[in-house]
Amino acid sequence: NAGVTQTPKFQVLKTGQSMTLQCAQDMNHNSMYWYRQDPGMGLRLIYYSASEGTTDKGEVPNGYNVSRLNKREFSLRLESAAPSQTSVYFCASNGGAFRGTDTQYFGPGTRLTVL
Amino acid sequence: DAKTTQPNSMESNEEEPVHLPCNHSTISGTDYIHWYRQLPSQGPEYVIHGLTSNVNNRMASLAIAEDRKSSTLILHRATLRDAAVYYCILRDAHGSGNTGKLIFGQGTTLQVKP
Repeated sequence: NAGVTQTPKFQVLKTGQSMTLQCAQDMNHNSMYWYRQDPGMGLRLIYYSASEGTTDKGEVPNGYNVSRLNKREFSLRLESAAPSQTSVYFCASNGGAFRGTDTQYFGPGTRLTVL
Repeated sequence: DAKTTQPNSMESNEEEPVHLPCNHSTISGTDYIHWYRQLPSQGPEYVIHGLTSNVNNRMASLAIAEDRKSSTLILHRATLRDAAVYYCILRDAHGSGNTGKLIFGQGTTLQVKP
C-alpha cells in the first residue's frame, strides 16, 4: 500500500495565481484532512471531510476550498494565492470510528512558496 | 479540547533512554493520550496511545501518571533516527462533533547526539 500520497511535492506560485493540491489514500479510510505547517509551528487544520460527500472548516479555512472527489481523493484549492499561504501542506486520513483510539496517517507534504 | 504542555526541546545521547514529558492537567476521563512524531521534512507519524495503563509497542513506551495529569513517552535506546519533533495530543473518545481531527501544539524537538 502507498498509504497517503500528495502531489506536487514542491510548488512556487506568484501572488494571485491559483492551484490545486491533490491527495489520495488507498487504505479505504472514511475521513480525510488538510493541515498546514508554518516554520517552527505545529500543524493547523484547514479543512476536513469526515466522510465521503461531506466537508467542514477547520481552524484556518480562509483562502482555501476543498473537494472530496470520492472516498480516495481529497483536494485543496487556493483560488488566489497570497504570500501568507507559504507553508507546508499535509494531507491525512483516518479510518477509525473516532472513539479516541483512532489514528491518522499523514502524507509526505507539499512545500508551497508564494512570491 | 484539553491542552497539553511540553518542553520546547530536549537532548539525548545515542543509545541512552529518553523520557519525554507531557502535562495535561485538564484532561477529562474520556481523553486518550496520543503521541505522534515528525521526522525532518516528513509528515507526522503515530507513535503510541493510552488511556490509563502504561503501554508498550515496538517504537516506545507510554507511562501515564496515576492521576492522568501527566504522561511520559519513553524511548528505550535513542538512535540518530529518533531525532524528531514529538507531539503529545489528547483525543476525546466521546466528545460531540468528534471527527478525528488532531490539535497540535509546538511539541518537543528531540536532538540525539552521537
